[in-house]
Amino acid sequence: QVQLRESGPGLVKPSETLSLSCSVSGYSITSGYYWGWIRQPPGKGLEWIGSFYHSGNTYYNPSLKSRVTMSVDTSKNHFSLKLTSVTAADTALYYCVRFVPEETVCDYWGQGTLVTVSS
Amino acid sequence: QSALTQPASVSGSPGQSITISCTGTSSDVGGYNFVSWYQHHPGKAPKLMIYDVSARPSGVSNRFSGSKSGNTASLTISGLQAEDEADYYCSSYTTGNILGVFGGGTRLTVL
Repeated sequence: QVQLRESGPGLVKPSETLSLSCSVSGYSITSGYYWGWIRQPPGKGLEWIGSFYHSGNTYYNPSLKSRVTMSVDTSKNHFSLKLTSVTAADTALYYCVRFVPEETVCDYWGQGTLVTVSS
Repeated sequence: QSALTQPASVSGSPGQSITISCTGTSSDVGGYNFVSWYQHHPGKAPKLMIYDVSARPSGVSNRFSGSKSGNTASLTISGLQAEDEADYYCSSYTTGNILGVFGGGTRLTVL
């Protein structure tokens, strides 16, 4: 069974970089599918951050693209997110997902990790 | 403001049926058959319930069904059970954006 689990600091200071990891079990990242990040600010809806294929193709939310870096460590079967120059507006529940772009479907999600941006 | 419009809340009694709507435009819901629905119990991982408008992943109860008419997609849950109480989100492909867009979510309360 495919499982994803996010990890990272729950508190980040304004202007600093948010860094999260997603550990994948039950499926190899290099076996196919896209992988990505979605967030949900408190009281608001879901918002895509971006998605990537392990060999390099990447899709970004245009509004976040300039601040986002996604990377993958195939040896550990996990992938990471970095979001630079954070503000309070980046406070959100961050989810990692497995994504099927041909059908615009996220078929597996992590349970999410809350990141608060505050000094 | 989310790109797709869902009612903030719906409710129903055990055994009843409810329908949650998801309204978009001809550039998303109305133009493509790539609508999906997710169930989210707070604190848990969201779960895919419906994809491609009406397809159910393996393991999802047949009490859950999806449909579409024009620019509005719908999720119907029949034979409501207490465990169905959750937040439900729709998503759709949208022209020029392979990541798609989400609805604002609907809180289902089982009375």
